[in-house]
Amino acid sequence: EVQLVESGGVVVQPGGSLRLSCATSGFTFGDYGMHWVRQVPGKGLEWVSLISWDGGRTYYADSVKGRFTISRDNNKNSLYLQMNSLRPEDTALYCCTRGTNWSFDYWGQGTLVTVSS
Amino acid sequence: QSALTQPPSASGSPGQSVTISCTGTSSDVGGYNYVSWYQQHPGKAPKLMIYEVTKRPSGVPDRFSGSKSGNTASLTVSGLQAEDEADYYCSSYAGSYKYVFGTGTKVTVL
Repeated sequence: EVQLVESGGVVVQPGGSLRLSCATSGFTFGDYGMHWVRQVPGKGLEWVSLISWDGGRTYYADSVKGRFTISRDNNKNSLYLQMNSLRPEDTALYCCTRGTNWSFDYWGQGTLVTVSS
Repeated sequence: QSALTQPPSASGSPGQSVTISCTGTSSDVGGYNYVSWYQQHPGKAPKLMIYEVTKRPSGVPDRFSGSKSGNTASLTVSGLQAEDEADYYCSSYAGSYKYVFGTGTKVTVL
């Protein structure tokens, strides 16, 4: 069974930093590109970032480019998101998702990041 | 990248059909056959229902179907059932390895 479990979400002050993790199991992690997608509670979905299967290529939404860094450790079957210079508008539930066929086929339940003073 | 436009709500009685539209531009929906649809029940993670415009993942009922014309994609749910009541989101590849989601549609089964 494919499982994605996010962690690391907390309340942080504007300008602060945070590192999210996504532990995966049930599939060959190194065979897939992985994404982060966020959702403001009660609102819609926003794509945040993509990392290639080998970590060699990374892509970001304009809203987070230069502030967020996606990475992965294929030995640990884990995905990460380093978030710097956080803003109140970054407040959201952050979900990791597996990329397949130009879509997102498995999702974690998410970890809540709140940026507030 | 602007969000794709979906109607805020749609509804139908059990057994009827409902169609949700997803309008983008030639840079996303119209430019690629990489539109996908997701079902999200309250408090749950999104579930992939359609990928590459028309394809259904294993386990998704054939009551769910997708199509596209120009810059607008559509999801049709036929034979509505109570468990189909949920939020639905479209997504499209937008070039340069970026993606965009729709604004979301709440489907109510009357």
